[in-house]
Amino acid sequence: DTEVTQTPKHLVMGMTNKKSLKCEQHMGHRAMYWYKQKAKKPPELMFVYSYEKLSINESVPSRFSPECPNSSLLNLHLHALQPEDSALYLCASSQTRGADYNEQFFGPGTRLTVL
Amino acid sequence: EDQVTQSPEALRLQEGESSSLNCSYTVSGLRGLFWYRQDPGKGPEFLFTLYSAGEEKEKERLKATLTKKESFLHITAPKPEDSATYLCAVQGNQGGKLIFGQGTELSVKP
Repeated sequence: DTEVTQTPKHLVMGMTNKKSLKCEQHMGHRAMYWYKQKAKKPPELMFVYSYEKLSINESVPSRFSPECPNSSLLNLHLHALQPEDSALYLCASSQTRGADYNEQFFGPGTRLTVL
Repeated sequence: EDQVTQSPEALRLQEGESSSLNCSYTVSGLRGLFWYRQDPGKGPEFLFTLYSAGEEKEKERLKATLTKKESFLHITAPKPEDSATYLCAVQGNQGGKLIFGQGTELSVKP
């Protein structure tokens, strides 16, 4: 199984809402990632979790709050977002051994629209 | 500063017309160079990993090569279904962080 799943596929939310994006993988990968992607741009790293611990936070605003409940699951909690946060949010996972991280496998993404 | 530059930004080919995409990089301590394919509105699909200069990987009509400064993705006799954006990314010493290029948007016409 080389699949990363993400829910929901689409999400529309107001600026005062609280919502969560979910990601799941069953490949035994111990590194998981959140990316944000705008149209015609490459993915932009937000967070990296390694062995369920946050290892990289790319200075993301606090209205985005990541959570890694276990080695298979990754959540992104959203609160008080701005219209400019509308984008495709991608989850990825990879094997990791010490300082080595193998190729990342991406999920299909969640298309987020903030009104 | 780690950096990846892809060229051209866009490439239009006729079906069967072979060509190459370029990915130039500067990175401190290359741990891997990755090629992905991305269709509109979907997540990137992993294609290849290259680790050291001289390495080559092939998959169907695609062949990826690596030197100390750049990588090429060769597309032989492309078909319309090869139309997509191709992303190149490098991983250096920053624990799993990928540095992406801007991508090459490939269009193959029948």
